[in-house]
Amino acid sequence: DTEVTQTPKHLVMGMTNKKSLKCEQHMGHRAMYWYKQKAKKPPELMFVYSYEKLSINESVPSRFSPECPNSSLLNLHLHALQPEDSALYLCASSPDGYLEQYFGPGTRLTVT
Amino acid sequence: RKEVEQDPGPFNVPEGATVAFNCTYSNSASQSFFWYRQDCRKEPKLLMSVYSSGNEDGRFTAQLNRASQYISLLIRDSKLSDSATYLCAVEGNDMRFGAGTRLTVKP
Repeated sequence: DTEVTQTPKHLVMGMTNKKSLKCEQHMGHRAMYWYKQKAKKPPELMFVYSYEKLSINESVPSRFSPECPNSSLLNLHLHALQPEDSALYLCASSPDGYLEQYFGPGTRLTVT
Repeated sequence: RKEVEQDPGPFNVPEGATVAFNCTYSNSASQSFFWYRQDCRKEPKLLMSVYSSGNEDGRFTAQLNRASQYISLLIRDSKLSDSATYLCAVEGNDMRFGAGTRLTVKP
């Protein structure tokens, strides 16, 4: 089973709201990722967790805050977002770094 | 120069055609290479890993040329269901995706 799940599927939030995106995998993968994808663009890496520790933060604004509660879960906390943050947020996992990544279905976020 | 470059297309081909995509990368230390398929408003799905010796999966063949720093994907006997955007991905210090090549297979 190569399934990564994400909730919610869709999210509309105002610029003053606080919300969280959730990602879960039960494949025993040790690396998990957050990507942002705008329409007709490739996914852009935001954060990498390896063995539950943040290993890469691609200069993402502090209004995005990742959290890895355990090896199966990854959260992305959102606060004071801007309309330009509207995008598809994809979670992925891989058995380890440098290996193939499996994506969840994404959360389509709209900031109003 | 972008780290990973692909011809965005679009490629419009008839059913049964053979089509090839190339992808070039700039980081010579890159270690892993992949092709993903992404349908409209869906997540990328892993199509193939690309090995140094090349690999084949049914109608799909992937090749890696480290000397020239490119990977390729060949699709034989195209089906309507192959219509999608094909993304190459290159893992160096982290995963970088090409912009994707849009393929439309027509009856």
